[in-house]
Amino acid sequence: GAGVSQTPSNKVTEKGKYVELRCDPISGHTALYWYRQSLGQGPEFLIYFQGTGAADDSGLPNDRFFAVRPEGSVSTLKIQRTERGDSAVYLCASSLYSGNEQFFGPGTRLTVL
Amino acid sequence: TQLLEQSPQFLSIQEGENLTVYCNSSSVFSSLQWYRQEPGEGPVLLVTVVTGGEVKKLKRLTFQFGDARKDSSLHITAAQPGDTGLYLCAGAKGGYQKVTFGIGTKLQVIP
Repeated sequence: GAGVSQTPSNKVTEKGKYVELRCDPISGHTALYWYRQSLGQGPEFLIYFQGTGAADDSGLPNDRFFAVRPEGSVSTLKIQRTERGDSAVYLCASSLYSGNEQFFGPGTRLTVL
Repeated sequence: TQLLEQSPQFLSIQEGENLTVYCNSSSVFSSLQWYRQEPGEGPVLLVTVVTGGEVKKLKRLTFQFGDARKDSSLHITAAQPGDTGLYLCAGAKGGYQKVTFGIGTKLQVIP
């Protein structure tokens, strides 16, 4: 079976622009997580979905960041008015249920010029 | 302030050598996980330790959870070039929903 996939693999944008990052979790996985990994750092938790609802969004840095998972499968992370400090690799992970092993995708490398 | 401190941050060794990397915290975790991450990929779970004092072995890798569940170590015996990568420890409290990662140890094994 396919693993977690993320698109695009790379995204270059200009400061102030809007971007959307997509995550396709493993089929049947109910829990989905977004992390951000800056250069030389470990992944930093952003948000966790159980089904369609955001169960914990305490890691979102500010209101420019928003994520949705309307049908309980694919998720989109949306960043408004991008800033250079948003440049990082955005990782998505899914697990069968919350509390199970998380399987990570390869990430989307976002560069804000 | 990093909740999980990993040391060393960088390690370059010759093939065949042994090494130990450490993960320390002032917080108590319900479990600690070790991941390996290669460039351009997401982290891959190696092991989860749950019980204080627990030791788990995965081929040449030995993982230990401290008695107080605040720290962990990863020991690699006879390192091989295929062990090269970023080793991340991560702590979970009250379940796996919100996992906190350390900064990682970047290991390079030279043939």
